[in-house]
Amino acid sequence: DVQLQESGPGLVKPSQSLSLTCTVTGYSITSDYAWNWIRQFPGNKLEWMGYISYSGSTSYNPSLKSRISITRDTSKNQFFLQLNSVTTEDTATYYCASGSRPMDYWGQGTSVTVSS
Amino acid sequence: QIVLTQSPALMSASPGEKVTMTCSASSSVSYMYWYQQKPRSSPKPWIYLTSNLASGVPARFSGSGSGTSYSLTISSMEAEDAATYYCQQWSSNPFTFGSGTKLEIK
Repeated sequence: DVQLQESGPGLVKPSQSLSLTCTVTGYSITSDYAWNWIRQFPGNKLEWMGYISYSGSTSYNPSLKSRISITRDTSKNQFFLQLNSVTTEDTATYYCASGSRPMDYWGQGTSVTVSS
Repeated sequence: QIVLTQSPALMSASPGEKVTMTCSASSSVSYMYWYQQKPRSSPKPWIYLTSNLASGVPARFSGSGSGTSYSLTISSMEAEDAATYYCQQWSSNPFTFGSGTKLEIK
């Protein structure tokens, strides 16, 4: 069974970088699928942030393109989100998700607060 | 970007009642995807490629539509269906979500 688990700091200071890890078990991130990051703001709006494909190519939401980077470590079967120059507007629950349809599998989410 | 407008934003239904919610796209999309979310849980895939039920989704659910107009229907409301439902398009980057329809049980 494919499982995804987000991890990372729950509190980030404004202007710093937010870094999260998604650890995948039960499936190799190099086999297939796009490996996505999605966030949900207070108030419940959902935003697709970007993905890294099984081949390593990336696609980003243009609204984030100057600040976002998604990378991976295939040896650990993990992929990562880095979001630079965060503001309080980046406070959200961050999810990683993947699958063939195309987001069958979701992590449980990790809450990130941007505050000084 | 393609804006998805869901209506109504909030609705309630009695057990056994038929429920329909809609998702309108600002530009034509090839397919629509739906997710169910309950409080303190991640979104769950619910309907994919407009009309296909995800694994474990009861047969009382159905999806339909094309172009800019899509809908999710519950043939007979049950208490466990109370949740927020989000539509999403994968036709054009950014892959946007609707703002959700919150469905409550009467």
